[in-house]
Amino acid sequence: QVQLVQSGAEVKKPGASVKVSCKASGYTFTSYGISWVRQAPGQGLEWMGWISAYNGNTNYAQKLQGRVTMTTDTSTSTAYMELRSLRSDDTAVYYCAREPSLNYWGQGTLVTVSS
Amino acid sequence: DVVMTQSPLSLPVTLGQPASISCRSSQSLVHSDGNTYLNWFQQRPGQSPRRLIYKVSNRDSGVPDRFSGSGSGTDFTLKISRVEAEDVGVYYCMQGTHWPLTFGGGTKVEIK
Repeated sequence: QVQLVQSGAEVKKPGASVKVSCKASGYTFTSYGISWVRQAPGQGLEWMGWISAYNGNTNYAQKLQGRVTMTTDTSTSTAYMELRSLRSDDTAVYYCAREPSLNYWGQGTLVTVSS
Repeated sequence: DVVMTQSPLSLPVTLGQPASISCRSSQSLVHSDGNTYLNWFQQRPGQSPRRLIYKVSNRDSGVPDRFSGSGSGTDFTLKISRVEAEDVGVYYCMQGTHWPLTFGGGTKVEIK
C-alpha cells in the first residue's frame, strides 16, 4: 500500500531554515511527482509547489520563490522540502502529497516558528 | 492564479439528510487534454486531507457512494446524499488544470 511518512515536528527561530522529509513506499517512486501543501493553524490548504521524482523538475508557488527548495533522493525514495528565512507566518502543518491530483498524503509535519 | 470560491462556509446538516457544497472557479478548468481536473478533499478533525473525488465525478477507492461530484467548466458541486456522523469535517475543492494548483477556502460540515 502507498505510504508517505514525514519527519517529526520542528521548532525554529525566525530567520532559520527547516527541511522536512517525506519517505515514500508501496510504489515506484520515480513514477509520480510530489506536491507540498501547508496549512496554517485554523486555516485552509495552500499549495507550495511540486517536484517530479523522475527528473527533479520543480514548480513553486510564486509567493515562496527564492525561499523554498524541493528535492528528491531516489536512492531512498524520499522527497524533501526546505524553507529558508522563516517567519512567524510560516508556522503551519506541512504535508507532502503524491500525484496524480494528490491522491495520497503524508501525516503532516508541524513547523513552529517562534522566538 | 485561478481563484476557487466555495459556498457555504459552514453547513449544519441533520443526520440522514442531504448536503451540497458549491465550488466555482475564476476560469474554465477544462485542460487542453480534454480533462477537467477538479478534485474534492475531505479533512476530518485532526487528520490529513483525503481525496474523495477526482476529475469532477470519479470517486476514489473506498469512498462511500453517498458522495458524488458533478459540474463542468467553472461550476462544480459535491453532494452527500445522506449525511452520517463520520462525514463531519472540512471539504475543499482543488483545481489541477492550471499552475499553480489552487484550493477553495473550505466548507465546514457539522451535525445540527
